[in-house]
Amino acid sequence: NAGVTQTPKFQVLKTGQSMTLQCAQDMNHEYMSWYRQDPGMGLRLIHYSVGAGITDQGEVPNGYNVSRSTTEDFPLRLLSAAPSQTSVYFCASSYLRTGVSPLHFGNGTRLTVT
Amino acid sequence: DAKTTQPNSMESNEEEPVHLPCNHSTISGTDYIHWYRQLPSQGPEYVIHGLTSNVNNRMASLAIAEDRKSSTLILHRATLRDAAVYYCILYSGNTPLVFGKGTRLSVIA
Repeated sequence: NAGVTQTPKFQVLKTGQSMTLQCAQDMNHEYMSWYRQDPGMGLRLIHYSVGAGITDQGEVPNGYNVSRSTTEDFPLRLLSAAPSQTSVYFCASSYLRTGVSPLHFGNGTRLTVT
Repeated sequence: DAKTTQPNSMESNEEEPVHLPCNHSTISGTDYIHWYRQLPSQGPEYVIHGLTSNVNNRMASLAIAEDRKSSTLILHRATLRDAAVYYCILYSGNTPLVFGKGTRLSVIA
């Protein structure tokens, strides 16, 4: 049981490049989400999904796309990277989006956009 | 969304108990009180949660005021490994879990 796995751990992009941050979980969790964390700041929600085929926007969705074709995977796409997207990205999942289900987090992807 | 208020930072001596406060005066009846912590260079990890009654687990205890407008996370014996940012979050499941700025706990040897 690997939990929530994020790849890559580190990535450097040039402005305008695109890439996909991968997130996979093996706990059969319905709910998955992406957060970003800027230096010295708390986590901000980008997008989330309550099940395969269903996604919704969080606090800071601009510049990011997501899809949920399977229960296990929830990739985050940067269409045209900008320096403002330099951040650490965390993926999280839980069984149900209920008050009693804690979130399980991955170890993060550190992205630098030059 | 219901908000929480936490001190920006706290300090504790090693092997002493730590009481981390959280105010949530606008809590609703369906809100659970969740605590997460984030160790340096790691993702957040779940610590504990409760609804009305005090809760204990292997990591910590959660004391909830009778009117539910405040709560306290208790680390019974702080260690250097407990130095982290601690987040108090109200979570009902109806909306996604939203993090505030949390309390940065420093532990002094």
